[in-house]
Amino acid sequence: EDQVTQSPEALRLQEGESSSLNCSYTVSGLRGLFWYRQDPGKGPEFLFTLYSAGEEKEKERLKATLTKKESFLHITAPKPEDSATYLCAASFNKFYFGSGTKLNVKP
Amino acid sequence: GAGVSQSPRYKVAKRGQDVALRCDPISGHVSLFWYQQALGQGPEFLTYFQNEAQLDKSGLPSDRFFAERPEGSVSTLKIQRTQQEDSAVYLCASSLETGFRNSPLHFGNGTRLTVT
Repeated sequence: EDQVTQSPEALRLQEGESSSLNCSYTVSGLRGLFWYRQDPGKGPEFLFTLYSAGEEKEKERLKATLTKKESFLHITAPKPEDSATYLCAASFNKFYFGSGTKLNVKP
Repeated sequence: GAGVSQSPRYKVAKRGQDVALRCDPISGHVSLFWYQQALGQGPEFLTYFQNEAQLDKSGLPSDRFFAERPEGSVSTLKIQRTQQEDSAVYLCASSLETGFRNSPLHFGNGTRLTVT
């Protein structure tokens, strides 16, 4: 069964404390691995797409990486404004979403 | 507007009522998706349109759920005889292309449905 699992469910960091979020997938014939940010009361906002193992993409304090079975979202020196839920989605014949990691960055 | 627009933002329905949720996708976007998101969960797929054709409705939870996109732009998700378990946020997303690869989804801010 195609599915996507994210861990941890929640993560509390101090401002400046770097960490990583995990997204593991079992989607056969993966076409793309997508990362989104979702703020309370809003729809998910697109961050990155990764297509093949070894690929990396960066945006400000965020870097996404991809292997054959999982993707990581690395957050370097986070700030309170990075607090949000981060969702990953794997696509084949549809987009399969994980349950998200709720990140809270304390000043 | 520049983004995906959904209305209403909030809807309270009494059990047994019918509701209609509207989605205005980004102009020119071929693909349109509906998702259901429960509190603390990721979006769950409901249905997918390519232009006006509904290509996948495998995620619709029951025959009380119906979606349409008659002219290939605006879409409506209709829920008949609402039940308490239908309470959730309903998200609409559009993408420029088909193929689930090169075009990310652009989401609206959702309609929060509460069935009392």
